[in-house]
Amino acid sequence: EADIYQTPRYLVIGTGKKITLECSQTMGHDKMYWYQQDPGMELHLIHYSYGVNSTEKGDLSSESTVSRIRTEHFPLTLESARPSHTSQYLCASSDMTEMNTEAFFGQGTRLTVV
Amino acid sequence: AQSVTQLDSQVPVFEEAPVELRCNYSSSVSVYLFWYVQYPNQGLQLLLKYLSGSTLVKGINGFEAEFNKSQTSFHLRKPSVHISDTAEYFCAVRPVGGFKTIFGAGTRLFVKA
Repeated sequence: EADIYQTPRYLVIGTGKKITLECSQTMGHDKMYWYQQDPGMELHLIHYSYGVNSTEKGDLSSESTVSRIRTEHFPLTLESARPSHTSQYLCASSDMTEMNTEAFFGQGTRLTVV
Repeated sequence: AQSVTQLDSQVPVFEEAPVELRCNYSSSVSVYLFWYVQYPNQGLQLLLKYLSGSTLVKGINGFEAEFNKSQTSFHLRKPSVHISDTAEYFCAVRPVGGFKTIFGAGTRLFVKA
C-alpha cells in the first residue's frame, strides 16, 4: 500500500487568495513530483524534486512554487489564485532502484478558484 | 524526448466482453512502460509495468499488456470486463536511467450492463 497523502482533497477558494497544497510520503523516496490534470488531458508535470533542497520546474509552465525542506514533504504554493488555476493537482513520489521504477500517487487535490 | 499516444479517448463495452486499450509511444532511448488506472476522485494506481524480459505482462484485476518493440506499442487487454472496471486508464513511459514519467491523455473505459 502506497503511503502518500495529499490535503486538502477538495478546495474552493476566491481569486487572489494564497493557498498551499500539502503532500507527504512515508516511503523515504528521494524523488517527488507535482502533476496537473485537466479533464480529458494527459497529466502534465509542473514541478519535481531530486531530494532535499532540490526543486525543478517541469514540462508545463506553472505559476505555482514548491519547496523541499524535508524528504517526506513537498508542498505546492500559489501566491495569488486565479480561475485559470482551477484543476486537479496530483502529487507522486518514486524510488530509483532498478525494480521499483513506478511512481506512487496521492489521491489528488481538486482546486476550484472562483 | 518521449511521447505517449492513447488511440481511443473513450471505449464503451458491455459487461463480460473483452477489451483492448491501445497505446503507442515514441522514444529515442529505451523506456519502461506502465499502465495506471484512475477511479473517480482518486489518484492513479499502478496496474502493471514492463521493465524487461517477457513481453507479456500480467497485472492486477485480470489485466495484461503486451510490449511490441517493433510497433512501439503497449496495448492493455482484459478478456472479460466487469462494471467495476469503469475508470480512466493511463499509459505511461519512463526512460531507462531517467525519472520523469510521461503520460498519455487517458482512455475512459465505460462498462455497460
